[in-house]
Order: sequence, then C-alpha cells, then structure tokens
Amino acid sequence: DAGVTQSPTHLIKTRGQQVTLRCSPKSGHDTVSWYQQALGQGPQFIFQYYEEEERQRGNFPDRFSGHQFPNYSSELNVNALLLGDSALYLCASSWRRGGDSPLHFGNGTRLTVT
Amino acid sequence: GQQVMQIPQYQHVQEGEDFTTYCNSSTTLSNIQWYKQRPGGHPVFLIQLVKSGEVKKQKRLTFQFGEAKKNSSLHITATQTTDVGTYFCAGSWRGSTLGRLYFGRGTQLTVWP
Repeated sequence: DAGVTQSPTHLIKTRGQQVTLRCSPKSGHDTVSWYQQALGQGPQFIFQYYEEEERQRGNFPDRFSGHQFPNYSSELNVNALLLGDSALYLCASSWRRGGDSPLHFGNGTRLTVT
Repeated sequence: GQQVMQIPQYQHVQEGEDFTTYCNSSTTLSNIQWYKQRPGGHPVFLIQLVKSGEVKKQKRLTFQFGEAKKNSSLHITATQTTDVGTYFCAGSWRGSTLGRLYFGRGTQLTVWP
C-alpha cells in the first residue's frame, strides 16, 4: 500500500520563475492538503483540495495555486518565485469522511529559490 | 486567528531523562494531534486526542488533553536516542475545514548518550 508520494524531492529555482510540485495521495484517500514548512517552523496550511475543488485556503498569496485531478492526485504551482518561498513543501492526504482523521504526509519537496 | 503555542522550542536531555512538551490554545480545541518529525524527514502522526481530560499512552509516551480542551502535553519517560526529532502539536477548532490543522512551532528534542 503506497503512502503519499511527492515529486520532485529537491528543486532549485531562480527568483521570478515558476514551479510545479506534484503529489499522489495514499490509497483510499480523497483529500489533499498542502503545507509549507520553513526552516525551524511548523507546517503552515496553504490550501486543501477535495473533489477537484479548492475547499479552503490559508494565508498565502494568489501566486500559490493548485489543482486536483480525478484520480485525487494534486499539483501545487507557485508563480513569480521569491527568496522567501524557499521551504519544504509537504503534501498531506486524508479521507474526508473520516472527519479530523490523521494526516499522512509525503516526504516533501525541498524548494530552494536563489 | 487560531493559533497553537508550543514550548519549549528546544530541549536537550541525557539519555534516560524525561522530556515534556506543552501546547496551548487561547480557544477551545475540537481535537489535537501530535506528530514527530525526524531530522530530514516528514511529520509522522503519533496520536489524536478528542475528549476533555483524555490521557493516552504509547509505551514510554504519555499524551494528555486538558479539561478545558485548550492545552495538551506530551511526556516521554526515560528518553532514548531514537526519540530524537521535533515534536509538533496540531490543533483544529470546531467549524474549521476538515484536515486543516494549525501546527505549533514544535519542540526539537536532542538526546545525548
């Protein structure tokens, strides 16, 4: 039973560029949430996708956007990258009807913006 | 807005000593979850507490949820080097989006032999 998979594992981009991160949820899960974790901080909620729609959004600018596909996989896109976007981006999946069920995190994508 | 405060930020202990991390919210939580993140790794779920005054144990780990559901703690008895990592509490409030958790800043535990 595959867990949450994310790609790529590492990425180096230049300011102003755009990036796309990908996530496949754990088998049986239908909800994908994205979190940003800066060094030395706890994960911060970016947004959540369920039934291919963004359900709620954290305090992140419109440069951050996403998508969920019919197979429940998801993408996170960040436009016009800033140095401050350097962080570990975590995808977490869950089963919506499980209520506040535990989140299953992927290994993350380490994004470095230079 | 909703916020979860966690202390201490760092804890250095000698193997065999106990360790405790505390989590607080200014408003009543719906539930609280605890996660462990090893260095270079990702958060891994440990436990979820839902009921007022709930206490759960996992071997040497004891988790408590306050009577008012505004605070929680994780206590590790007789730490081992395998306990090294950052421990996060993560809370949610009634009415918040399912699956949206508010993480504390974490307590980074270092254990020396």
